[in-house]
Amino acid sequence: AQSVAQPEDQVNVAEGNPLTVKCTYSVSGNPYLFWYVQYPNRGLQFLLKYITGDNLVKGSYGFEAEFNKSQTSFHLKKPSALVSDSALYFCAVRDMSRDDKIIFGKGTRLHILP
Amino acid sequence: GAGVSQSPSNKVTEKGKDVELRCDPISGHTALYWYRQSLGQGLEFLIYFQGNSAPDKSGLPSDRFSAERTGGSVSTLTIQRTQQEDSAVYLCASRGAQAEAFFGQGTRLTVV
Repeated sequence: AQSVAQPEDQVNVAEGNPLTVKCTYSVSGNPYLFWYVQYPNRGLQFLLKYITGDNLVKGSYGFEAEFNKSQTSFHLKKPSALVSDSALYFCAVRDMSRDDKIIFGKGTRLHILP
Repeated sequence: GAGVSQSPSNKVTEKGKDVELRCDPISGHTALYWYRQSLGQGLEFLIYFQGNSAPDKSGLPSDRFSAERTGGSVSTLTIQRTQQEDSAVYLCASRGAQAEAFFGQGTRLTVV
């Protein structure tokens, strides 16, 4: 069965500094990988996805993520953090070789310090 | 509609009562997912539908939980004999031809 690990419950970054939110996954087949963001009292918003092709994918709000097949990782990155980036971030995986469900990690709370 | 719609947005119920949560997916989306988010917890997968069929019900916590989807559109998640541990935000998402799913705003269920 597929699974997703987000090893950090919380990440603190000073405004203007680069940020990284870590994600590793486990699937038996080829993965589709996603990042979502959740602001307080809101639903989840889609940020970006990896399907195939370039390992570096770009998404909304200046975020990007790097797919690393050998390390089974899909870390979320941004070159310069904004206070408004503070939110809860979820990594997710869909295993195309088995079935269609999407499994999420437990989430990482990102705090951008002014 | 333009997005995934869930109703009610908030539900307070007494322990032991049954509740129904509704999800209206984006028009034309064939896949529909239900998740549960407890306070401070991640997203727990409950069930997903492809059309009206549910290939994977493995996430339903107990036989008090059931879900159905009719006409390949609206889905209802039913919780019978609610317990306090059922209190959570229940999120629905739908997906069309693209890889990613789109979420509704959720139903906050409180069992008192």
